[in-house]
Amino acid sequence: GESVGLHLPTLSVQEGDNSIINCAYSNSASDYFIWYKQESGKGPQFIIDIRSNMDKRQGQRVTVLLNKTVKHLSLQIAATQPGDSAVYFCAEKLRGGADGLTFGKGTHLIIQP
Amino acid sequence: GAGVSQTPSNKVTEKGKYVELRCDPISGHTALYWYRQSLGQGPEFLIYFQGTGAADDSGLPNDRFFAVRPEGSVSTLKIQRTERGDSAVYLCASSLTVDQPQHFGDGTRLSIL
Repeated sequence: GESVGLHLPTLSVQEGDNSIINCAYSNSASDYFIWYKQESGKGPQFIIDIRSNMDKRQGQRVTVLLNKTVKHLSLQIAATQPGDSAVYFCAEKLRGGADGLTFGKGTHLIIQP
Repeated sequence: GAGVSQTPSNKVTEKGKYVELRCDPISGHTALYWYRQSLGQGPEFLIYFQGTGAADDSGLPNDRFFAVRPEGSVSTLKIQRTERGDSAVYLCASSLTVDQPQHFGDGTRLSIL
């Protein structure tokens, strides 16, 4: 099975609300995690990353939280805007392993007006 | 600045034909990656180049697939004797170094008839 997965395939939120997208991973050997946003017909766009020596990292309107105890990763988007509508993927890289990323299936974020 | 550029954006060919997909990475990026994405799925790692050499080709599905990066910049993914199951979006990504975030192009949508 996949080592990275998402709890919900679709998430619908009201414009202006905060969004939280979750990701579970099963490989404790992973030491780097990254979130991507993918719009229809486009390639994945880098949002934010975090290494396993950190629990939280903030960017512009986004925060990534890493809970290594339960192998859980989340992406928080503040004040969600229509342009945030997309599919969001989390991905991991194994410590000392292959340098390619392992992606989950993605969560489709839908912004309601 | 210019991002990762992939050509062609779309390619339609018949089963059994040979195809080449091109990737121009971000200038100065030493690491280059190829992924394949099927509809509704996350990208799957194919191969990683560090400079001119293929550092990890563990994701290539079989010997019909191979890739080159002769001068350490542009890369070409080559698929021989194409099969209908090869239909997917082929994504290229590059990163400044192997420890930096990967940035993706918009992919080549390959359709095998």
